[in-house]
Amino acid sequence: AQSVTQPDIHITVSEGASLELRCNYSYGATPYLFWYVQSPGQGLQLLLKYFSGDTLVQGIKGFEAEFKRSQSSFNLRKPSVHWSDAAEYFCAVAAHMGRRALTFGSGTRLQVQP
Amino acid sequence: EAQVTQNPRYLITVTGKKLTVTCSQNMNHEYMSWYRQDPGLGLRQIYYSMNVEVTDKGDVPEGYKVSRKEKRNFPLILESPSPNQTSLYFCASALGQGWNGYTFGSGTRLTVV
Repeated sequence: AQSVTQPDIHITVSEGASLELRCNYSYGATPYLFWYVQSPGQGLQLLLKYFSGDTLVQGIKGFEAEFKRSQSSFNLRKPSVHWSDAAEYFCAVAAHMGRRALTFGSGTRLQVQP
Repeated sequence: EAQVTQNPRYLITVTGKKLTVTCSQNMNHEYMSWYRQDPGLGLRQIYYSMNVEVTDKGDVPEGYKVSRKEKRNFPLILESPSPNQTSLYFCASALGQGWNGYTFGSGTRLTVV
């Protein structure tokens, strides 16, 4: 069965510092991978996705992610974090395309220090 | 504005009292889905719908019902809510062709006492 692991439950970074959020997936076929962000009291917003092609994908708000098949990873990065990036981040894999089912990781909560 | 609208945002109810959470999307999306979010578990799919009158179970369907009589609406029904259904619920919609991921609603926080 497919699964997604986000090893870091909580991360704190200083404003202006770089950020990397880890995501590892377990899936037998070519995965469809997503990163979503959830601000407090809000729904989930799609940051970026990987379906195929270039393994470095660019998203909104200055985020990027790199797909590494050999490591089964899809880590999210941002070169300089802003206070408004404080939120919870979810990695997800599309396990069942027929029912558009996303399997989510348990999330990483990002705190940004001034 | 393209969006998924859920109502209510917050709901406290008692065990066994039937309730419905409404969901509506204005993007003419074919797919709609309900997820529940619980701490440490991420989001899990409850039910999904591929189009009008086509629905099926997700990963955690027990205790829930859905219907899709119109393309834009996908209500979630709890016929006899129990405390273990206390959760944060999200409705989401997506295109049938050329899927780019889901558009999520703002969530409904349900407490069953």
